[in-house]
Amino acid sequence: AQSVTQPDIHITVSEGASLELRCNYSYGATPYLFWYVQSPGQGLQLLLKYFSGDTLVQGIKGFEAEFKRSQSSFNLRKPSVHWSDAAEYFCAVGGTSGTYKYIFGTGTRLKVLA
Amino acid sequence: GAVVSQHPSWVICKSGTSVKIECRSLDFQATTMFWYRQFPKQSLMLMATSNEGSKATYEQGVEKDKFLINHASLTLSTLTVTSAHPEDSSFYICSTKTGNSYEQYFGPGTRLTVT
Repeated sequence: AQSVTQPDIHITVSEGASLELRCNYSYGATPYLFWYVQSPGQGLQLLLKYFSGDTLVQGIKGFEAEFKRSQSSFNLRKPSVHWSDAAEYFCAVGGTSGTYKYIFGTGTRLKVLA
Repeated sequence: GAVVSQHPSWVICKSGTSVKIECRSLDFQATTMFWYRQFPKQSLMLMATSNEGSKATYEQGVEKDKFLINHASLTLSTLTVTSAHPEDSSFYICSTKTGNSYEQYFGPGTRLTVT
């Protein structure tokens, strides 16, 4: 069965430090890949998405992600974290099993130290 | 991106009563809507998929008689939690898509507390 793994449940970084959030998926073909951010009590905001083409994707708020087919990964990065980036981050995979459904990872909670 | 609204944003109801949550696609026709639930500090779990004018398709383990979904128009879907119990307390999020697009647009969520 298809699955999405976010190995890090919690990550703490200092403000200004770089960030990488990991996401691995299990799927035979290349899926549609998404990263979302969720602040407490809020809905999801799309950071970026990958459908095809250039494997390095730029998103909003200074985030980028790189699709690596050989590693079945779609890791999210940001060169310099701001205190306002503290939130929950979800990786999602869509288009599996010929449906429009998403499979979400378990999420990574980011804490930013001042 | 598309704008999706949910109403109410939060609701408290007594055990045994029913509560309806609305999901509206404000600026495009949503051929498909999805309903998710999210328990505290957990990920989103898909409950059901609804296509306009058709019966919803529920995920395994989701009681269709308890979580009634109606998608009567291209801009509105409703989720009714019938005979709610405290274990139904959760954050309910809807999303929409249109046509053959694989991208979903998410609503802001509804916090349901059953006392």
